[in-house]
Amino acid sequence: SAVISQKPSRDICQRGTSLTIQCQVDSQVTMMFWYRQQPGQSLTLIATANQGSEATYESGFVIDKFPISRPNLTFSTLTVSNMSPEDSSIYLCSVVTGITGELFFGEGSRLTVL
Amino acid sequence: DQQVKQNSPSLSVQEGRISILNCDYTNSMFDYFLWYKKYPAEGPTFLISISSIKDKNEDGRFTVFLNKSAKHLSLHIVPSQPGDSAVYFCAASGQGSEKLVFGKGTKLTVNP
Repeated sequence: SAVISQKPSRDICQRGTSLTIQCQVDSQVTMMFWYRQQPGQSLTLIATANQGSEATYESGFVIDKFPISRPNLTFSTLTVSNMSPEDSSIYLCSVVTGITGELFFGEGSRLTVL
Repeated sequence: DQQVKQNSPSLSVQEGRISILNCDYTNSMFDYFLWYKKYPAEGPTFLISISSIKDKNEDGRFTVFLNKSAKHLSLHIVPSQPGDSAVYFCAASGQGSEKLVFGKGTKLTVNP
């Protein structure tokens, strides 16, 4: 298993501002994932963050809007840029570990954009 | 187009009875299915999984059934306990990918 810590756990932001979410894992992992859960929706993968290379974004998500850093094997950040109310979501960091490949999730960061 | 569907947004059962949560998928390339449980203000936690080479996997009170021909899976919880009250997400992946596609979740309430 893995213990994943996310900061902030929640925040209220003004339209047009940017916020960076931090994700710290208690072990080294190759792949980290960033998910978003909008109200009433499923968990949607934003991007895969690999150490030492550019993040890989899913359809509908772009680097300018969601820049990601992955400076080492235990840490990643996701920035939500130029926020609008539509960005109000829970953002979750996750990693794959163990032989069966289950995802482990952080507690999530609940963002509310006014 | 939603590839993983959980058509029941909520389910309420009595303590001690069986809870059955359903999930349908459309992508025939999916070959690995998982259930996650999520409590408020916490991240989802892994519950149980099943590979497409099986049609049943059991872990204590939790059993997942897979019907490949119907592209349907279900999670059975027997007996249900109040602590099982949470949102349950069905997820699927395929072709060796670690990327998961999630359903919208079903909120289970187990009443004492």
